[in-house]
Amino acid sequence: DVKVTQSSRYLVKRTGEKVFLECVQDMDHENMFWYRQDPGLGLRLIYFSYDVKMKEKGDIPEGYSVSREKKERFSLILESASTNQTSMYLCASSFSGVQAETQYFGPGTRLLVL
Amino acid sequence: AQSVAQPEDQVNVAEGNPLTVKCTYSVSGNPYLFWYVQYPNRGLQFLLKYITGDNLVKGSYGFEAEFNKSQTSFHLKKPSALVSDSALYFCAVREGDYKLSFGAGTTVTVRA
Repeated sequence: DVKVTQSSRYLVKRTGEKVFLECVQDMDHENMFWYRQDPGLGLRLIYFSYDVKMKEKGDIPEGYSVSREKKERFSLILESASTNQTSMYLCASSFSGVQAETQYFGPGTRLLVL
Repeated sequence: AQSVAQPEDQVNVAEGNPLTVKCTYSVSGNPYLFWYVQYPNRGLQFLLKYITGDNLVKGSYGFEAEFNKSQTSFHLKKPSALVSDSALYFCAVREGDYKLSFGAGTTVTVRA
């Protein structure tokens, strides 16, 4: 089974703190993604990476950065957390390919910024 | 840009009755369409996808979806719903080579 793990299930941080969310996949997937999930808005893509050290902005990259130093690991960084970044964060991974490749999701990290 | 719409925020059905969760899409070219499910306090799980071929796609947990090009729809169906099907369902369409664009989600409640 594909396994995508996220470093924390729940996090509470203060405004202005630097926050690291880590994601690890064990299927040798080329692609990795970070989404945030908010009620009524579905999932919105923050950043994705199609290879080590490669990254592309998604739909809502402002206030976030990412790092992919190893194929299996993709980190999301909130440089200075703000209350509007309180959300559920989901990591996903997939193979690359010409046809639609299924994305596999981690359990999510629920972040509360006070 | 590709997009999907889920016109219903909530769907309520009785156990044993048919379940339908609606999705319409707007894409240029041939769509790659997906359904995912999220059970409480869990990540998203893949249910099924349409790439090409038969318009009726079968997936996990007894779900199926019907691709209708003329109506630009991709509705998720289950002939007989279970209480355990209560969850949040997302329709998605592939954009470009990597990205998925998700609908807002539909909460399904199946009452015993």
